[in-house]
Amino acid sequence: DVKVTQSSRYLVKRTGEKVFLECVQDMDHENMFWYRQDPGLGLRLIYFSYDVKMKEKGDIPEGYSVSREKKERFSLILESASTNQTSMYLCASSLRGTGGAGYTFGSGTRLTVV
Amino acid sequence: AQKVTQAQTEISVVEKEDVTLDCVYETRDTTYYLFWYKQPPSGELVFLIRRNSFDEQNEISGRYSWNFQKSTSSFNFTITASQVVDSAVYFCALSGGSQGNLIFGKGTKLSVKP
Repeated sequence: DVKVTQSSRYLVKRTGEKVFLECVQDMDHENMFWYRQDPGLGLRLIYFSYDVKMKEKGDIPEGYSVSREKKERFSLILESASTNQTSMYLCASSLRGTGGAGYTFGSGTRLTVV
Repeated sequence: AQKVTQAQTEISVVEKEDVTLDCVYETRDTTYYLFWYKQPPSGELVFLIRRNSFDEQNEISGRYSWNFQKSTSSFNFTITASQVVDSAVYFCALSGGSQGNLIFGKGTKLSVKP
């Protein structure tokens, strides 16, 4: 069964900490994405990557960075966590050139910054 | 600009009622795709359907049906004889443009009561 795996289901971090959210996919997909989901706001795209070492800003990249050193792994980094980054984070992947194929999503990481 | 609007924030029905979730989209692309995803309480986004912009045929899958109308830029989702297990947040999404990223609506929370 194809999967997108997010390393943590729940995470609690302190304000100012550097936080790493990890995502791994086993489908050999070129494209990977990070979204955050907040009540009443739906899913908003933070960053995406079309290939190893490539990254593109989404709609709300401020306060985040990403790393894609291997095809299967896409990491989201909160450089200095703040309380307004408390949210559900969803990772997704898709095949290149298949914007119409839809994405496969991970189960999400619920991050609380205190 | 691309946009997806799900005007219904929350819907509550009693089991066995039919319910329609509305989705209106905006895009300048001539080729695009529309999607519906389901997010149960567990958090994972589950793909339900994809429609491309050239296929306006309605689709039925069991108790689920979708009505795509380009003239009104709508892609509505109907659940017939709803069940408690249908309780979830449902997202409509649009993919198009040069990058084909998914743009999500804010979601409709459906509660089906026994």
